[in-house]
Formats: sequence, structure tokens, C-alpha cells
Amino acid sequence: RKEVEQDPGPFNVPEGATVAFNCTYSNSASQSFFWYRQDCRKEPKLLMSVYSSGNEDGRFTAQLNRASQYISLLIRDSKLSDSATYLCVVPGYSSASKIIFGSGTRLSIRP
Amino acid sequence: NAGVTQTPKFQVLKTGQSMTLQCAQDMNHEYMSWYRQDPGMGLRLIHYSVGAGITDQGEVPNGYNVSRSTTEDFPLRLLSAAPSQTSVYFCASSYAVRSTEAFFGQGTRLTVV
Repeated sequence: RKEVEQDPGPFNVPEGATVAFNCTYSNSASQSFFWYRQDCRKEPKLLMSVYSSGNEDGRFTAQLNRASQYISLLIRDSKLSDSATYLCVVPGYSSASKIIFGSGTRLSIRP
Repeated sequence: NAGVTQTPKFQVLKTGQSMTLQCAQDMNHEYMSWYRQDPGMGLRLIHYSVGAGITDQGEVPNGYNVSRSTTEDFPLRLLSAAPSQTSVYFCASSYAVRSTEAFFGQGTRLTVV
């Protein structure tokens, strides 16, 4: 099983829609989680961190489900500018571990 | 704020040539890593380092070497370029592995012909 798995999509939704996607992780000891956004031909940039209690930032909500070992990202009232690839990131659980990225979920918002 | 500086931005190599991709950060980050990204795919970890003098292999290390003689620099060396190494390469750094944001360089688009 891959350490971090995402549905590759693409998700193609109309502007204004709500869209959600998940990311599963294999290491139950993982403590921190992140969602990154990557625009076409650009470097990834941090979108938001995922805390145990969940995290909300405007139209974006990130949740953690430890029992089922997945994190989710919900985007409400989607905008054309939300079109991008969303990568989940699960850093290692020890100081010597590596940072593994999911393969990304491609989101396309249509007018 | 320079952040993570990656050079060159574009490079074309002939099969068998060697080259070094440079990566430098000015944030005093301990953790640095190299990823490659192929079309339609995510980031695959090549090598990483948790501090000066310490490096380790990631998911796809074959054909690449790294060294970390200083905290600031983490160069990636292609030993003998192959067409399969055509990709976009990203260098990243973070203060620590856990609970911190990773900052990326702008990427190097490498084509091996």
C-alpha cells in the first residue's frame, strides 16, 4: 500500500459547487498533515494545515479522520481560480523521516 | 527574502552527460529534499536530508547523487543522464520534518535527448 494515496481525478465541477476529496495515509503514527495547491507548471504552495480538530479557512475546510486514516479537503462555493491540483502531504512521524506527497487530485472549475 | 533558490530553470542534456542542479535556501532550514514530477503525476521523492552531513534515499534515488556539506545547499547530481530522467525537478526545504510548511524552489525543467 502506498504511504499516501489520493484520487487523481480530474474533478470537473461548475462554478459555485461544493467539492470534496480525500487522501488516505498508511502510517498510523503520523501526527501532522497538510494540503498543498499546485498550479500548472508551478511549484506547490501550502494551502492549509490539518489539525486533529479540523481546520477552516474561508471556503476551505480540512478534516482528519484518524480511525480511518484519511484527511479530506472541502471547497465550498468554488471559483474558477480554484482550478489546480491539490496535493496532500504526510510528513514522517520522526525527526529523521521524509515528507511524502500524494499524487494529487486535479480540480477543474467550469464557468 | 530569497527563500529557496533553484538553478537552472531549464536545461537540455544529451544522453550520458552529467550535471548538477543547484538548490540553496536562506531560512536556516534543517530539512531539504529533491522531488521529480512527471506529466500527470505527483511529486516523487528522490533524496532528502535532515541536516548537514546527513542524506538518505527517497522513492526514486537511482541515477542521482546528493550531498549536504552546509545547511544552506543541497545539490542534486545526475551521474549519466538518461531520457527517463526528463522531468521537472523541485527542491524543497522546511524547518523540520514534522508540523512545518515546506517551501519549494521554482523548479528545473530538464530534458534529456
